[in-house]
Amino acid sequence: KNEVEQSPQNLTAQEGEFITINCSYSVGISALHWLQQHPGGGIVSLFMLSSGKKKHGRLIATINIQEKHSSLHITASHPRDSAVYICAVRSEETSGSRLTFGEGTQLTVNP
Amino acid sequence: DAMVIQNPRYQVTQFGKPVTLSCSQTLNHNVMYWYQQKSSQAPKLLFHYYDKDFNNEADTPDNFQSRRPNTSFCFLDIRSPGLGDAAMYLCATSRIYRGLTEAFFGQGTRLTVV
Repeated sequence: KNEVEQSPQNLTAQEGEFITINCSYSVGISALHWLQQHPGGGIVSLFMLSSGKKKHGRLIATINIQEKHSSLHITASHPRDSAVYICAVRSEETSGSRLTFGEGTQLTVNP
Repeated sequence: DAMVIQNPRYQVTQFGKPVTLSCSQTLNHNVMYWYQQKSSQAPKLLFHYYDKDFNNEADTPDNFQSRRPNTSFCFLDIRSPGLGDAAMYLCATSRIYRGLTEAFFGQGTRLTVV
């Protein structure tokens, strides 16, 4: 079983829809990252959080430490949001330096 | 300006011929990571350096080695590349000092083995 599991693996939405991507993890963590990867490989960090909720524009990330679960929400989705979204966790090993990835969610937003 | 730089962007090597990929950073981050990403898969952590401490993942093949001569540079050495090692190799950095920072990624080196 992977330390980090995401659902769904693939998601297709219509422009304007509200999108939720889920992440569950099985290890103790010091922080969780949501990352975005576009075709061609470039990865950017969207959020890093260890508790509660963060918001940036149309993106919202939440985490429930007790339930070991995080969600990434996209409001008013747009075709330019199409990308792979990856949940990554900093496990408590090595003082939180170890950063491992979930399998990713391929999001396609159609116009 | 790019803060995590990987060279080269594309590397072709012969089966069994040692190859080195490089990563440099201008962020003065104390943690550097190497990931392997194969087509349609998520990046897989190979190893990371926390300062000078090397942390190898249990399932990383012995064929993969790394060096970090100073804070700014980290190298991935593949001693005898096989066809199965063809992949995108991603370098990332972050800082752990009085808290954690975001992770910053290079553009990757796409390795082809012929």
